[in-house]
Amino acid sequence: SAVISQKPSRDICQRGTSLTIQCQVDSQVTMMFWYRQQPGQSLTLIATANQGSEATYESGFVIDKFPISRPNLTFSTLTVSNMSPEDSSIYLCSVRQNQETQYFGPGTRLLVL
Amino acid sequence: GENVEQHPSTLSVQEGDSAVIKCTYSDSASNYFPWYKQELGKRPQLIIDIRSNVGEKKDQRIAVTLNKTAKHFSLHITETQPEDSAVYFCAASMGYSTLTFGKGTMLLVSP
Repeated sequence: SAVISQKPSRDICQRGTSLTIQCQVDSQVTMMFWYRQQPGQSLTLIATANQGSEATYESGFVIDKFPISRPNLTFSTLTVSNMSPEDSSIYLCSVRQNQETQYFGPGTRLLVL
Repeated sequence: GENVEQHPSTLSVQEGDSAVIKCTYSDSASNYFPWYKQELGKRPQLIIDIRSNVGEKKDQRIAVTLNKTAKHFSLHITETQPEDSAVYFCAASMGYSTLTFGKGTMLLVSP
């Protein structure tokens, strides 16, 4: 399976600021996704990161709040903009190498004060 | 869109017992059903998956069964061990569509 890394692994941020999370994969992958997981909850898809085009956002998530880049087949970034305490969560990068099998990165723990 | 229901939300068993977690899905077109295990503070890890062209798949102490007619699938863990304690998530998708996850089951295996 692909080796996925994320940076930073955790951060504490002040409200109103922005944080960019990086996801790096050791091999080219067909699809990359960004998820949010709040404590004790399931995995919520934020968006699909499309290489060379705008990300596809799920209902309730917008580009102005969560801009995403995917410049190539091994790298993506998610920015959490104008943060509030409600954005405190774990953000997970996820990738697919073939049609279906999907793997997750280690996650970024974000606390907004 | 797809909806996945997962039961139970918590499950406590004694070491050595079997554990069964059940999921139902709504979209009959779904054809891929993975299971993930998430230990505390760790990433979700894919432990087993099944495609709609088979009814059962086993991997050592873990098995998954699929009933397409009833639109439900189950995870079976035999001879449970304390290290099986974790949150388990089922999911469903069709082809290249995104995964829809269940709400998770917290499994506690007591020594």
